[in-house]
Amino acid sequence: DAGVTQSPTHLIKTRGQQVTLRCSPKSGHDTVSWYQQALGQEPQFIFQYYEEEERQRGNFPDRFSGHQFPNYSSELNVNALLLGDSALYLCASSLKGYEQYFGPGTRLTVT
Amino acid sequence: KNEVEQSPQNLTAQEGEFITINCSYSVGISALHWLQQHPGGGIVSLFMLSSGKKKHGRLIATINIQEKHSSLHITASHPRDSAVYICASRSYNTDKLIFGTGTRLQVFP
Repeated sequence: DAGVTQSPTHLIKTRGQQVTLRCSPKSGHDTVSWYQQALGQEPQFIFQYYEEEERQRGNFPDRFSGHQFPNYSSELNVNALLLGDSALYLCASSLKGYEQYFGPGTRLTVT
Repeated sequence: KNEVEQSPQNLTAQEGEFITINCSYSVGISALHWLQQHPGGGIVSLFMLSSGKKKHGRLIATINIQEKHSSLHITASHPRDSAVYICASRSYNTDKLIFGTGTRLQVFP
């Protein structure tokens, strides 16, 4: 079992661009949560997907959107990138209501 | 005030020492997670507990629901235990995790 995987590992974008980050959940998991961790800060919840729908959302603007596919993998999209979007983006998968397992993260740098 | 508070923020220890990290939360929860994060970012889930005590190797986690408090203990600490330890709460009816600010642990040989 490969565990939770994320791609890409690192990414550099320019202000105003759009980015898509990808997450494949641990085998057997049906729920994917996304978190943003700014440098030196704790992770902040962005949103969670279950049964291909966004079920919960944190305090993030509409520039942050996502998708979950029938195979439970998920994408996080961020439009109109700002410098402040530079962060480590973490994906966590779980069976609904159970322990979350984290991926290695995608480090996004916006210049 | 954060919903989840950790102490201490920083901790240094000599190899072999017993380590305790504390976590307090302000609202009722369905579960409390203890996580480990190494430099470079990857987060490893250590424990998820909703009552009592769990043990895995040299790590022990306890939770007191009435007092809204949890502790993570590391016995016979080792330099490879050096990392940031984070507690995170999960409230009822949601899988959303709310994270504490973390405790940076350094264990010296």
